[in-house]
Amino acid sequence: DQQVKQNSPSLSVQEGRISILNCDYTNSMFDYFLWYKKYPAEGPTFLISISSIKDKNEDGRFTVFLNKSAKHLSLHIVPSQPGDSAVYFCAASRDRDDKIIFGKGTRLHILP
Amino acid sequence: ETGVTQTPRHLVMGMTNKKSLKCEQHLGHNAMYWYKQSAKKPLELMFVYNFKEQTENNSVPSRFSPECPNSSHLFLHLHTLQPEDSALYLCASSQEPRTGGGTQYFGPGTRLTVL
Repeated sequence: DQQVKQNSPSLSVQEGRISILNCDYTNSMFDYFLWYKKYPAEGPTFLISISSIKDKNEDGRFTVFLNKSAKHLSLHIVPSQPGDSAVYFCAASRDRDDKIIFGKGTRLHILP
Repeated sequence: ETGVTQTPRHLVMGMTNKKSLKCEQHLGHNAMYWYKQSAKKPLELMFVYNFKEQTENNSVPSRFSPECPNSSHLFLHLHTLQPEDSALYLCASSQEPRTGGGTQYFGPGTRLTVL
């Protein structure tokens, strides 16, 4: 049973617009969430994280929102740029020291 | 430069071969991980080493044998693999988990094909 779900395998967004990537989780014990970005032929790169004591964390063009009651988080990228085309993995853990559970990923295409 | 390197980047082997994957991290971390990424599946954690000691074996078949001689190096020894073991094998490292720093840094992966 998947504890971290990314229900959209792919997403296409026009350059300059906002990209919204969604992630749902089932384990209410998760309290630390991460987003990774992966280019072809490379390993995942850490992008941004959020602790369950917050509902928003922002880093430049990237913002992660956490809705604990809905067990949902989202990654917003604005404005979207061509270099953002990649696979984005949502991940979660029970605390910062525990093993990380990954979703299947969402492939983001930024259209010119 | 991610700080985590993996060799080889690509490997093709027969089911009777024995081969090893190597991972090296230059980040001063104390925890290292092996993950498997198969097509259309989430990243699967295989093994965790913390200060050279194996702290997690996620029900991995014995045909995969990890080795961690020091905090900077991690190996995955492979023998008598099956075609379904074909996947991308990713190594990662992080600060010692129990004192915080759960963010993991990944290597580029080894694309393994078992014929």
